[in-house]
Order: sequence, then C-alpha cells, then structure tokens
Amino acid sequence: QQQVKQSPQSLIVQKGGISIINCAYENTAFDYFPWYQQFPGKGPALLIAIRPDVSEKKEGRFTISFNKSAKQFSLHIMDSQPGDSATYFCAASMGHYGQNFVFGPGTRLSVLP
Amino acid sequence: DGGITQSPKYLFRKEGQNVTLSCEQNLNHDAMYWYRQDPGQGLRLIYYSQIVNDFQKGDIAEGYSVSREKKESFPLTVTSAQKNPTAFYLCASSIVGANTGELFFGEGSRLTVL
Repeated sequence: QQQVKQSPQSLIVQKGGISIINCAYENTAFDYFPWYQQFPGKGPALLIAIRPDVSEKKEGRFTISFNKSAKQFSLHIMDSQPGDSATYFCAASMGHYGQNFVFGPGTRLSVLP
Repeated sequence: DGGITQSPKYLFRKEGQNVTLSCEQNLNHDAMYWYRQDPGQGLRLIYYSQIVNDFQKGDIAEGYSVSREKKESFPLTVTSAQKNPTAFYLCASSIVGANTGELFFGEGSRLTVL
C-alpha cells in the first residue's frame, strides 16, 4: 500500500512534443504529491508539487493533473525541449515530512532535437 | 551559495572495508536524510535525522550507520555488513514542519565495490 507506481520506464519525444508521465498510488492517506527532476550525475530537484484538494497545477510548461478518485496523477511537459532530458520521479507523502516520502521508480525522458 | 555538499563524488571500496560518505549542509535545515538510488528503482530511505544527536532508521538501514553530532553534518558509513553496497547515495535536507515538504538534495556519491 506504500508503493507508488510510475510509467513509462523510459520515454522518447521529439522536440516540441508533449511528454506525459503517469503515477498511481494506493494509500489514500497521502496528501502531498511532488515531482522531482534529476539530470545525470546530479541530485534530484523539486520540479512541481500538488495537494489533493486541486485537480491541476501549472507552472510554465509543466502541469500536474490529479485524479483523486482514481488515485492517479500525471506530469505533462508541453513543448518538450532537449534540455528537459532527465529522469523524473513522482513521489507521495503523508504530511509532507521528508521521511514519509515514497518515490516512484523514475522515468528517463529523452527529447530529440 | 547555500546547499548540500557530498564527498567524495566517486568512491571505490574493496569487499570487507567500511567507508564513510560525507554530507554537509549550510541551509540551516534541521532534518537530514540519506537515500540510496539503484537503476530502475526509486529513492529508498536509509536513515534520517530531525535533530542533532538523534536519528531514525529508514526502510533499508541494515549494513549502514550514521551520526548527527552537528546540525550541518550527517555522515553515512557503509559497513562490511551491507551485502550489496554498490549504488548512488544521495543526501538531502529539509525544514522540519515546512509547508512545502521540499527535499533539497546533494549531487550524490557513487560507491563501487570491487
């Protein structure tokens, strides 16, 4: 019940296209859903996050869509750029305490020029 | 610039040896964490600490040890008891009780056992 599933494992998109990464969870006690972006050889960095009281959050080209009833959330990257090529991790947490974070296995995104 | 510094970036170890990974932060965060990252797997929590001189086991603490003698430092020792220590290790910190819950990560240390 603590697991966060993430798909696809890898994704190849043409420059200018839309990248979509999906995550699903079981534990309805989760109340904070962040996405982290990790470039090769670097640590992850917070990209965008959402709480379950909203269905969508947008920051620039990045949008989180949240479906509470289906226990799913997704990251959409509009107008994908080669600089977006990285590994993306979704996560879920109870009470947004660091020790409660459960991370998905990650999606490696490659944006072709 | 504030941030988290991990060292060394790369480390090679022979079987049976203990190694210590350094993590220093100047963000004035109370909470610090160690995660392990393996290919195709999410980050898994090894240990965390919310206050000096106190720390708690995470999901995969066996074969690891930590100390928190100073607020800014949280070193991780990978002992010879860790059966599969080759991995990428990430240190992170956060503000306790923050509304965002954001984790700030270092750049990681890659440990290879020869």
